[in-house]
Amino acid sequence: AQSVSQHNHHVILSEAASLELGCNYSYGGTVNLFWYVQYPGQHLQLLLKYFSGDPLVKGIKGFEAEFIKSKFSFNLRKPSVQWSDTAEYFCAVRPSGSARQLTFGSGTQLTVLP
Amino acid sequence: DTAVSQTPKYLVTQMGNDKSIKCEQNLGHDTMYWYKQDSKKFLKIMFSYNNKELIINETVPNRFSPKSPDKAHLNLHINSLELGDSAVYFCASSQDDRDAYFGPGTRLTVL
Repeated sequence: AQSVSQHNHHVILSEAASLELGCNYSYGGTVNLFWYVQYPGQHLQLLLKYFSGDPLVKGIKGFEAEFIKSKFSFNLRKPSVQWSDTAEYFCAVRPSGSARQLTFGSGTQLTVLP
Repeated sequence: DTAVSQTPKYLVTQMGNDKSIKCEQNLGHDTMYWYKQDSKKFLKIMFSYNNKELIINETVPNRFSPKSPDKAHLNLHINSLELGDSAVYFCASSQDDRDAYFGPGTRLTVL
């Protein structure tokens, strides 16, 4: 079975600082990778996803992520965060070609100070 | 139009009661899910279901049961509610191995 590890539980940044959130997964085959964001009191929304092709994927709101296969990693980045980016961020993985559930990491709470 | 909807949004009930949460998706997806999010925000899969297969996470108590009247609906029924069942429950749907769309969540509080 697949698993996901997010190393940072809580990250606090000032506005305009750069962001990188770590995500590592464990699975013996090909995977699809996702980052979701959950704003306070809201449901999960997709930020970006990787299925195949260019390992650097761009998502909404200026976020991007890079898939490094050799490291089993899919880190999320943003060059300059805003106060409105304060939220919980979840990395998720699913075996390619499988309709089974996404497996989520434990989440990273990002707090951006104005 | 709401893609994945859940009702109710909030549910407060006494221990021992039986309750249901409804979920509907209008995306035409084949697979639907129920996730439980605990107080630490951890998301745990409870069930995944399509018209061919129901997959149950073995850690889910059998007091929880999914019921799917049709492809667009996956309701969650809970018997004999316990304090530890308090959480936010999210319904989601997806097509094949594409990304999942989540509902707004149902915050269940068991007193």
